[in-house]
Order: sequence, then structure tokens, then C-alpha cells
Amino acid sequence: GNSVTQMEGPVTLSEEAFLTINCTYTATGYPSLFWYVQYPGEGLQLLLKATKADDKGSNKGFEATYRKETTSFHLEKGSVQVSDSAVYFCALRDYNAGNNRKLIWGLGTSLAVNP
Amino acid sequence: DTAVSQTPKYLVTQMGNDKSIKCEQNLGHDTMYWYKQDSKKFLKIMFSYNNKELIINETVPNRFSPKSPDKAHLNLHINSLELGDSAVYFCASSRRGLAGITDTQYFGPGTRLTVL
Repeated sequence: GNSVTQMEGPVTLSEEAFLTINCTYTATGYPSLFWYVQYPGEGLQLLLKATKADDKGSNKGFEATYRKETTSFHLEKGSVQVSDSAVYFCALRDYNAGNNRKLIWGLGTSLAVNP
Repeated sequence: DTAVSQTPKYLVTQMGNDKSIKCEQNLGHDTMYWYKQDSKKFLKIMFSYNNKELIINETVPNRFSPKSPDKAHLNLHINSLELGDSAVYFCASSRRGLAGITDTQYFGPGTRLTVL
């Protein structure tokens, strides 16, 4: 079946440090991949997405590249800020699974950035 | 202009009570969802409606009953509340585009339910 595996948190970094949050997936078809972010006390919001192999999604300085050969979609940012402190969720939607209506979610990775 | 709104934001109640959470979206979307997020931030889909039709019904106790009076609203009623129901409940919506493929999900701010 389809699944998403994220690195466990919490991740704690100093401001301006480099961030990588690993995400790998298994899917039966050709998934689209997503990163959602949840700031404290808020609902989730889409951060970036990629719909096919080798696509790169980017937003707010974050990037992730859809790697079919390694079934990965790692999230990176070159210089994190305190305001990036949040929980990050990797998710996939498999168009060929016969049920493309729902997302398959990772467990979330909590990031804390210290000044 | 709130895109996806939920009421109430906080709900504290005793075990055994019945409660409802309301959700409304003004994005013109045709698909709505209910999620449960536990204390470890694990996110679990519960239900989804498309054009008022139930399309996803995960393994959820039948004490939980969703109701969609129209495309813009999806309410969640919970009977006989239990301690384990304590969580944050999120409503979300999306648009179903070409070939039935759903677009980005937009989340509400959440309802924090505490059962005492």
C-alpha cells in the first residue's frame, strides 16, 4: 500500500542554519507529493508540491525535489528563521490507486528554531 | 475573509455528552473533509464529502456522524463522548478538478475538544 515516512523530530536549529527534513514514500502508481506546514495553534497549509518526477517545488525559501529513483521528497531550506518553527507534514496522493481523493500523510516533524 | 471556518474553537465537555462542530468554506469547493489530530500531531482522516455525498468513511466509531447540508458546510456530530475523543479536529476543503483529481486541501483553524 501507499505510505509516507518522515524523519522523527523534534528538530532544533539555530537561526540561519541549514534545514533538511527527510521524506520517503511507497506508492503503487504515480503520486503527487506535498509538504504542508502547521504553525502553532493553526491549521495546516500547503507549503509546496510536485506532481511528477524531477519536479522541484519551492515556496518561502523552502525547496523539495521529487526523486523517483530514491522515492524521496526531502524538504530543504538554506537559512531558517525563528518564524519557521512549526510542524512539517509530507503527504502523497496516488492518482492510480483508484482512490485519489485522499492524501496519505506522514507523521509530521516538529521544527524549533532558536534565535 | 476566512476561507475555511470552524466553530467552536474550543470545546470542553463531560464524558457521555453529545456535541457538534460546524465547518463552513467560502472557496466554492465541492469536497470537504474531517481530520482528527492527536496530541502527538498524528493526522488521521475521518470523513470526506463530495457534493454532499459521502466518499471517504475511514474506520471511525459510529458515534461520529458527519452531515453535509450543502456543498459549503460539513458538520460533525459526536454522541456519547469518551476521553479518547479529546483531540484537535480539523475541517478542510478542496476542489475536484479534471478526471476527478482533487486539488490542494485548505484547512480550517481547528477545534480543540477536551473530554473530562
